[in-house]
Amino acid sequence: QSVLTQPPSVSGAPGQRVTISCTGTSSNLGAGYDVHWYQHLPGTAPKLLIYHSTSRPSGIPDRISASKSGTSASLAITGLRAEDEADYYCQSYDNTLSGSVLFGGGTKLTVL
Amino acid sequence: EVQLVESGGGLVQPGGSLRLSCAASGFTFSTFWMSWVRQAPGKGLEWVANIKGDGSERHYADSVKGRVTISRDNAKNSLYLQISSLRGEDTALYYCAREGITDNFFDSWGRGTLVTVSS
Repeated sequence: QSVLTQPPSVSGAPGQRVTISCTGTSSNLGAGYDVHWYQHLPGTAPKLLIYHSTSRPSGIPDRISASKSGTSASLAITGLRAEDEADYYCQSYDNTLSGSVLFGGGTKLTVL
Repeated sequence: EVQLVESGGGLVQPGGSLRLSCAASGFTFSTFWMSWVRQAPGKGLEWVANIKGDGSERHYADSVKGRVTISRDNAKNSLYLQISSLRGEDTALYYCAREGITDNFFDSWGRGTLVTVSS
């Protein structure tokens, strides 16, 4: 059982704004560790969307943003497009785990 | 351009072993931590193991500890994952991923190699 909790699914119509939450605990997000976000389309390589909780790599549009506060983080996508339909994962560091790398369970975004 | 290409997956019987490889190009391989991440059918991403750029540190997830060895050959720009005592729950797409220079996020990924454990 993942200790980074994401909703299994979210949906939105084209042009709308959606958010995906990631809830952690005192051993990961609550301890001040950064959260990172990935987009994953089945059969392809996952793509880094956000690192260090709020930073976008080059090439990621500014309609994708993220925030973090305490034990919670969220990813926001505005101006939703059909190509945004994918699985999204949060990831952080957990000081109780062997190796310390932890992924959330993933959220399936459906564009209606 | 950073490229990571995995190979070595296949159908293996329970109890068997397999060695996965990842060929890296487009960056100075020896300066980066590298990881293996897997995704079982219908499941989410699961971190498996990582190794420091010079090979001096390695870490493993509890789910694979004792059955998996991560290694690298910086002269060949290659990353490896040796998996033994394979179980059905090891069936997954295995991704090679490069870690960020300042933190353990993953800024580049391969497309994965599929390991199927079945009799």
